[in-house]
Parts: sequence; C-alpha cells; structure tokens
Amino acid sequence: DGGITQSPKYLFRKEGQNVTLSCEQNLNHDAMYWYRQDPGQGLRLIYYSQIVNDFQKGDIAEGYSVSREKKESFPLTVTSAQKNPTAFYLCASSIGQTGFSYNEQFFGPGTRLTVL
Amino acid sequence: AQSVAQPEDQVNVAEGNPLTVKCTYSVSGNPYLFWYVQYPNRGLQFLLKYITGDNLVKGSYGFEAEFNKSQTSFHLKKPSALVSDSALYFCAVRDLNTGFQKLVFGTGTRLLVSP
Repeated sequence: DGGITQSPKYLFRKEGQNVTLSCEQNLNHDAMYWYRQDPGQGLRLIYYSQIVNDFQKGDIAEGYSVSREKKESFPLTVTSAQKNPTAFYLCASSIGQTGFSYNEQFFGPGTRLTVL
Repeated sequence: AQSVAQPEDQVNVAEGNPLTVKCTYSVSGNPYLFWYVQYPNRGLQFLLKYITGDNLVKGSYGFEAEFNKSQTSFHLKKPSALVSDSALYFCAVRDLNTGFQKLVFGTGTRLLVSP
C-alpha cells in the first residue's frame, strides 16, 4: 500500500449522518483520487485533484465532497445525500503532471463504510 | 470512450500450472494499459504497465503481460501459479480523452489457485 494511509479501516454510519474518510500520502505526489468499489463493478472515480486547492468531479460525485488544502491530504466526506453509501472506498495518488500520461496510481488500504 | 473488458469473472488453476487472466481494450489512439492486484480488504497493488515498445511486459511477483494490438488484448500471465496468487485482478486503461491521468478499470477477475 506504499506511502498512502487511509483511516479508519472500518466505519459505520447511521442514516442521515455525514462522515469523513481520511487519506494522507507522503509520496510527494501532486494528483490524488477517490474511488468507490462495489462487488462486480470494478472501481468508479468519485473525485480527483491534480494540485492543491483544486479538485474536479469524477463519474459518481453526487452525495460526496472533498477538499485539498494540503498536498499530502485529500479527505472525502460522504454526505447524507448519498443514497447508497455502503461500499469500499479507495484513495490513490500519482505523480500527476498531465504530460506524464503513463504514471501508475498508488493505492491506500481502503476504508469500508457501512450504513446501519 | 476508452474501456477495458475482463470477460471472466473467475479463473481457476492448479498450483504449478500456467495462468492467464484476460483483458481486452477499446481506445482511440495508443493504449496505456495497467494490471493491478487486490488481496481481500486491501488496496490495489500495481503489477505492470504497457506504454510502448516490447509487447511482452514483465512485472512484479513473476507476472508478465502480452500486448497484442491486432487482437486489442493485454492478457496477464504467469508460468507457474502459486496459491498465494489467489486474489482479484484488475485491468485498466488510461483515458486519453481527459486532461488528467484518469484510469478506467475493468470489473475484475477473481483468480483461485488450488493446492
């Protein structure tokens, strides 16, 4: 899982609550990503950030929010507007720089969110 | 749109036998292809990538992948499977339609290696 940490490992949320998932990296990467993983669906991109103080919606951003105040941190908030939040959430980072199109992404260990 | 397909949900192989996990791609332009492995309740680990050059790419843990342009395939292979190779494998392609390094992932193939 390289130099990316995610916390907590397991998270339980009641209906109507917002929760925040932490993602920290010490790889000095510019770009960071949040994915959602559901059984049989692969990974789907929620949000991404190419540089500090900038982020963009991915394919399934509704009901989620992010911030990127520091290069090493990219927290994800799952809001009460997300109707089906139970899933495995993965954070990733890469060197960034749009010219380097072939850099692999490095993943954290994931957070499993369950709505009670 | 850029996409990859993993036609097999599960692959079963006996330990010591060769294994192949299939991936086909659909891209406009040159493909940048990746393989990742995921162990239970863990993040994805990078195995290898194809950017250009030699069609046979060697990666981590004895894995290799063969790029075939005419068949638009990028199959993952290993000459001799280990029980510890049992995991979920994802193929991914760089989405060249975006200005950032978006990866499009397949749905994954579960590999089960029996003793």
